[in-house]
Amino acid sequence: NAGVTQTPKFQVLKTGQSMTLQCAQDMNHEYMSWYRQDPGMGLRLIHYSVGAGITDQGEVPNGYNVSRSTTEDFPLRLLSAAPSQTSVYFCNRTGPPTDTQYFGPGTRLTVL
Amino acid sequence: EDQVTQSPEALRLQEGESSSLNCSYTVSGLRGLFWYRQDPGKGPEFLFTLYSAGEEKEKERLKATLTKKESFLHITAPKPEDSATYLCAVRDSGYALNFGKGTSLLVTP
Repeated sequence: NAGVTQTPKFQVLKTGQSMTLQCAQDMNHEYMSWYRQDPGMGLRLIHYSVGAGITDQGEVPNGYNVSRSTTEDFPLRLLSAAPSQTSVYFCNRTGPPTDTQYFGPGTRLTVL
Repeated sequence: EDQVTQSPEALRLQEGESSSLNCSYTVSGLRGLFWYRQDPGKGPEFLFTLYSAGEEKEKERLKATLTKKESFLHITAPKPEDSATYLCAVRDSGYALNFGKGTSLLVTP
């Protein structure tokens, strides 16, 4: 799993529900990020973090919140789910010395 | 704005039939071009990083090359287990990756 774990693997929500997608890494790397993958769209960056307590927005941040209280964990929160957030979500970590980004196995989310 | 275009969208090869996948890009200052392999239902798996024109990397039947405008992923004598979607991404500043839409490769026995 490239040192990145994601839970849950599958989730079905109703419109308006909230939930948190969990992501954890075991390599003590500073940089972590969240992407979503949709058919025909490629992977798009949602939020990223360059270290504990530091987060920033990516290309498609609306409807999502993140926090980084520890180096290991980087949860993604959906405050009020919408059908447009139906997607597969990938978390990753970036490690030295090549700054390669390693992806987790993904969470498949369906919003009805 | 950075752009990454992969071609073809889909490719079907017979086992042993070599071919190449293309990734063309426009970026203000390239800080890395990445190739990933993605199997259905799984996360992208890192293959290569290329940093400068002329650079080449190899792994088993795969060879990645880089010019100032594009990268090629050459597949030599592919096997059915090479079937997957291959993703290309570029990085300019910071850590964010800009991905192409991928090439879906099917290798038949």
